[in-house]
Amino acid sequence: EVQVVESGGNLVQPGGSLRLSCAASGFTFNIYWMNWVRQAPGKALEWVANINQDGSEKYYVRSVKGRFTISRDNAKNSLFLQMDNLRAEDTAVYYCARGFYGDYDNFFDIWGQGTLVTVSS
Amino acid sequence: DIQMTQSPSSLSASVGDRVTITCRASQSISTYLNWYQQKPGKAPSLLIYAASSLQSGVPSRFSGSGSETDFTLTISSLQPEDFATYYCQQSYSTLSITFGQGTRLEIK
Repeated sequence: EVQVVESGGNLVQPGGSLRLSCAASGFTFNIYWMNWVRQAPGKALEWVANINQDGSEKYYVRSVKGRFTISRDNAKNSLFLQMDNLRAEDTAVYYCARGFYGDYDNFFDIWGQGTLVTVSS
Repeated sequence: DIQMTQSPSSLSASVGDRVTITCRASQSISTYLNWYQQKPGKAPSLLIYAASSLQSGVPSRFSGSGSETDFTLTISSLQPEDFATYYCQQSYSTLSITFGQGTRLEIK
């Protein structure tokens, strides 16, 4: 079965750090872009970051630049999101999503169930 | 960044109704427009990609159209399982992907 499974969400204090993981299975992980998308409680989806197949390209939404770092380990079929200097507004469910980036279409076709990050004192 | 504006924000409809949701981009995005469905407490799922291509396994009552800045998602005959929140997403720039604010489709 093609799937991605997130883990690592937790309650953390403002200014703290957290590392999310996403384990991929059922597909050839190293040929896909991968993404993190988050959703604050009762709010819309927000793309957070993506990374290309070999990790040489990484892009971030403006609000997390300099605080979050996306990475991957193709040998372990895993995606990561290191989150530092967390703020209350980072509170959200974080989804891992596989990206299909073709010549004429780009979309997210496989999503995990999400992991909850709560930033609060 | 490219802004995506959906309308309406919420919509009440009945089983069997034809429903249309619109999405407008702040600049031309060709057909790099995708639609997702999200049910409460669940992850989003892909419905339509490249503005009008139906994802495998998605019922044919869902369709998409549009290009450049204006796009629509149409559900031809609403079924009980279609009541959910729908999001458009532009993927024209992989450096900065953005979603619309969502359209909540409720039972009338």
